[in-house]
Amino acid sequence: ETGVTQSPTHLIKTRGQQVTLRCSSQSGHNTVSWYQQALGQGPQFIFQYYREEENGRGNFPPRFSGLQFPNYSSELNVNALELDDSALYLCASSRSTGELFFGEGSRLTVL
Amino acid sequence: AQSVTQPDIHITVSEGASLELRCNYSYGATPYLFWYVQSPGQGLQLLLKYFSGDTLVQGIKGFEAEFKRSQSSFNLRKPSVHWSDAAEYFCAVGRPINTNAGKSTFGDGTTLTVKP
Repeated sequence: ETGVTQSPTHLIKTRGQQVTLRCSSQSGHNTVSWYQQALGQGPQFIFQYYREEENGRGNFPPRFSGLQFPNYSSELNVNALELDDSALYLCASSRSTGELFFGEGSRLTVL
Repeated sequence: AQSVTQPDIHITVSEGASLELRCNYSYGATPYLFWYVQSPGQGLQLLLKYFSGDTLVQGIKGFEAEFKRSQSSFNLRKPSVHWSDAAEYFCAVGRPINTNAGKSTFGDGTTLTVKP
């Protein structure tokens, strides 16, 4: 059983740019969710995808968007980057039982 | 709205000593509760979970947690800490139902330091 993989592991962007982060879900998991973890804080729920549809969203603006593909892989897109978007972005896949299986994250730095 | 409070930001224990990390939650229904561990620069790994039944649950790496509904708590314990347990620990609450599986609310974490 393969785990959750994320790419890239680190990236640096400047304010106003756009970024796409990618995630490959664990085999057999049909739900993927994205979390933002700022330094010294717990993960904050961004949104969740189930069967290629967004079916839950946290308190994040529309410039945070995503996609889920038929093979359950996923993308997180962030437009018009702001300094406060600097964080570790975590992808997690899950089944209906709810425990999350996390990737190692993508560390985004916005300058 | 659901929330999780981890009152202890940082805890230091000696190797071989016992450990208890506190977690209090607020949730409008019967919660699903989780503890995750995060090593530096890595993602989170599930230690244990509580859905229903026996309120004392066992997890990996010798950890256990006890659900106390009357206190809205789900404290994590380990009888004897090893140096490799040094990490950040997160408590989370959710109520996965069908398509709601991925949505959990996390506390801000407790950093565990282990003294030799």
